[in-house]
Amino acid sequence: ETGVTQTPRHLVMGMTNKKSLKCEQHLGHNAMYWYKQSAKKPLELMFVYNFKEQTENNSVPSRFSPECPNSSHLFLHLHTLQPEDSALYLCASSQALAGGYEQYFGPGTRLTVT
Amino acid sequence: QQQVKQSPQSLIVQKGGISIINCAYENTAFDYFPWYQQFPGKGPALLIAIRPDVSEKKEGRFTISFNKSAKQFSLHIMDSQPGDSATYFCAASKDSGTYKYIFGTGTRLKVLA
Repeated sequence: ETGVTQTPRHLVMGMTNKKSLKCEQHLGHNAMYWYKQSAKKPLELMFVYNFKEQTENNSVPSRFSPECPNSSHLFLHLHTLQPEDSALYLCASSQALAGGYEQYFGPGTRLTVT
Repeated sequence: QQQVKQSPQSLIVQKGGISIINCAYENTAFDYFPWYQQFPGKGPALLIAIRPDVSEKKEGRFTISFNKSAKQFSLHIMDSQPGDSATYFCAASKDSGTYKYIFGTGTRLKVLA
């Protein structure tokens, strides 16, 4: 595997379910990100991790819970979601948080909340 | 003031034609303007980027034109090919390209064979 991988690629869950999204980067990067991509809306930055430590939470509801056990893996734990949470969730990584380092995106997990 | 407005929402171009996508911003503190390309089933990938000290940057068939006074920048795809069919996002950031990008809403480009 190369680059940034995400699993599962598609997920359908009910509002009372608990599920997790997984992201793995094979680039040796130190910073990882979660984004939400909704149709006809700009990409929304959700969480940022640098060397496993969370550095940013963009006022994301607590039903989304990130976890970063090491610099290569990032999880997004989901529970009690709402239909408006249906979207494409993208993971990205970069060499560092400082300016000028390109972010490499994974293919995303298409989430549908029923 | 934090928004980046992108147009058009969708664009259909004949093979060999020129595709033009426009973005406008308000915040004069923005100093880094990347464009991302996203194919179906893939994540966005950096295509080309510009800083406001130049008015144009060209990489192959892709050119960014930047108008600082009008606070606008645009992506031109010359000799558009069916393989260019994708969604294109403009973005802006301040402090010389931090990770905090403000993204446009995207333009879905279809190039007809």
